[in-house]
Amino acid sequence: GENVEQHPSTLSVQEGDSAVIKCTYSDSASNYFPWYKQELGKGPQLIIDIRSNVGEKKDQRIAVTLNKTAKHFSLHITETQPEDSAVYFCAASIPTRKSTFGDGTTLTVKP
Amino acid sequence: EAGVAQSPRYKIIEKRQSVAFWCNPISGHATLYWYQQILGQGPKLLIQFQNNGVVDDSQLPKDRFSAERLKGVDSTLKIQPAKLEDSAVYLCASSSLPGQGKQAQHFGDGTRLSIL
Repeated sequence: GENVEQHPSTLSVQEGDSAVIKCTYSDSASNYFPWYKQELGKGPQLIIDIRSNVGEKKDQRIAVTLNKTAKHFSLHITETQPEDSAVYFCAASIPTRKSTFGDGTTLTVKP
Repeated sequence: EAGVAQSPRYKIIEKRQSVAFWCNPISGHATLYWYQQILGQGPKLLIQFQNNGVVDDSQLPKDRFSAERLKGVDSTLKIQPAKLEDSAVYLCASSSLPGQGKQAQHFGDGTRLSIL
């Protein structure tokens, strides 16, 4: 089955710096790659997603890049703010089948 | 639009007891998922429904876990009997049909289960 590895497991940055989280996947049939933000006591919330026919997508301070050949995708957050502190999960999805999640990255943004 | 509703938010039971969780997905979402999230890990899919049929239950411990989705809307997940290792947050999510190009899953806030 699909295997998703996420790095780093923890990331601490100063407010205003950029943060990058990387994921790799194993199944070349995966074609949908969402990123979720999970705050304490809440369910994961979709923040951005990308499909396999697109190499990069941006939404304000958040961007995601996808390298299908290397089977890896990354989340980039610029101008980080304390409210960006949370656990971030990547996932890889195969059409009509289940999504496989990474084990998460705990991002801490220090004021 | 209203989000995914789950209840209860918290549940504490002793091992070998039974417990049930309820989920009401976003209106019109055909696909419903139950995930188990153990502390420090990503969500792990237990079962996926499309309308009221099961699409994937390969990781559901069927000797103790069961789930149903009557009439293709609400769903319940049951554990009987519970074991200590079942302590986790149980998340429900819903999405439109993948063929409609809207695979994004919308999650509820989960039920935190503690087994004593």
